[in-house]
Amino acid sequence: GAGVSQSPSNKVTEKGKDVELRCDPISGHTALYWYRQSLGQGLEFLIYFQGNSAPDKSGLPSDRFSAERTGGSVSTLTIQRTQQEDSAVYLCASSLAWQEAFFGQGTRLTVV
Amino acid sequence: AQSVAQPEDQVNVAEGNPLTVKCTYSVSGNPYLFWYVQYPNRGLQFLLKYITGDNLVKGSYGFEAEFNKSQTSFHLKKPSALVSDSALYFCAVRDTIGSSNTGKLIFGQGTTLQVKP
Repeated sequence: GAGVSQSPSNKVTEKGKDVELRCDPISGHTALYWYRQSLGQGLEFLIYFQGNSAPDKSGLPSDRFSAERTGGSVSTLTIQRTQQEDSAVYLCASSLAWQEAFFGQGTRLTVV
Repeated sequence: AQSVAQPEDQVNVAEGNPLTVKCTYSVSGNPYLFWYVQYPNRGLQFLLKYITGDNLVKGSYGFEAEFNKSQTSFHLKKPSALVSDSALYFCAVRDTIGSSNTGKLIFGQGTTLQVKP
């Protein structure tokens, strides 16, 4: 596709359930990023993949959060045992190494 | 570690007037700097970047930014604001891994721009 694609666009889940959020980056982009954004707030860094290097996981808020990037392309962010404070918009982006990143439209996660 | 600051939560300007959204950074080495815009209920859109070269960088929608190394600033500017420019603006700097600028993007807190008719 022409841009970064995220799915689902909206997800409502019950507290305690696990969720998976998917990101399809722009083809050929070596770097992939996950951020989250609470309503009207700034961007909170979660995790960063760059080529074959070990991912930068320094932003993951707890061990309930994990992410993988398969084959250097698609990425899945998994949140286990969701809590209400996990409610936010989860944004994925991709880039060519150190160039500008392009963002998807995000997944709005609501934990009820 | 790299960091970036946007000292103003909100900037108000009248349509037709020039606008400035401020950004300062702290880096070790040469900074890779970016501006993004977020319209309501939308994802982030890339506006412009400074990697190297001319200190005045031109970007999308008539925006420009001036890189000032001595003041460690990268302010976003536009000569004549439009109501449609009203949005949330983010400055970002690329983190370094060793000596190379290939780390994650570090974002400022964001500045809400309100342009009034």
